[in-house]
Amino acid sequence: DAGVIQSPRHEVTEMGQEVTLRCKPISGHNSLFWYRQTMMRGLELLIYFNNNVPIDDSGMPEDRFSAKMPNASFSTLKIQPSEPRDSAVYFCASSKDSPNTGELFFGEGSRLTVL
Amino acid sequence: KQEVTQIPAALSVPEGENLVLNCSFTDSAIYNLQWFRQDPGKGLTSLLLIQSSQREQTSGRLNASLDKSSGRSTLYIAASQPGDSATYLCAVDGINNNDMRFGAGTRLTVKP
Repeated sequence: DAGVIQSPRHEVTEMGQEVTLRCKPISGHNSLFWYRQTMMRGLELLIYFNNNVPIDDSGMPEDRFSAKMPNASFSTLKIQPSEPRDSAVYFCASSKDSPNTGELFFGEGSRLTVL
Repeated sequence: KQEVTQIPAALSVPEGENLVLNCSFTDSAIYNLQWFRQDPGKGLTSLLLIQSSQREQTSGRLNASLDKSSGRSTLYIAASQPGDSATYLCAVDGINNNDMRFGAGTRLTVKP
């Protein structure tokens, strides 16, 4: 398996623009997680899905952030409008087991810079 | 609320040394604990997963132990190599929360 695949790897945009990050989980995994990593706050869970259904979105910073999982093999994280403080590395991860997380596998991340 | 702490924040050792990284967590009601490695600019790579019923897991030169009652885990690296230089993170999957909680990591440097 190719592992968790994220795109784009790097994104540089201007404040106010819409940003869409994409993730393809490992085939057969039923849970998908979006994390954000910054130097100041470390790894923070934004939202997670189980069987394509959002289970916990309490980590989503505000209404500017939204996430979807239309099918088992694809998820998006959208920021609209983007702000400089959104600059971070965004990771997608997937796991096979539920309700406990099981072994978590991460993608390479999408590094976002908002100017 | 589950909190995960890793000590030390950074560690520098000469090549060949055995070393121990520490992870502590506040809520012992856990499903499992996982150790990851992160290289600069990269994602997290899973190293070892310890289920709550297990005491330790081994993979090559790595050994992870779990003492659930005291809220502690250690990652032991034998005969360290410069290629082991990375940030090591532990994460706890708690029964009372919906996600894995991560420590801030220990940045390890192994000097040739």
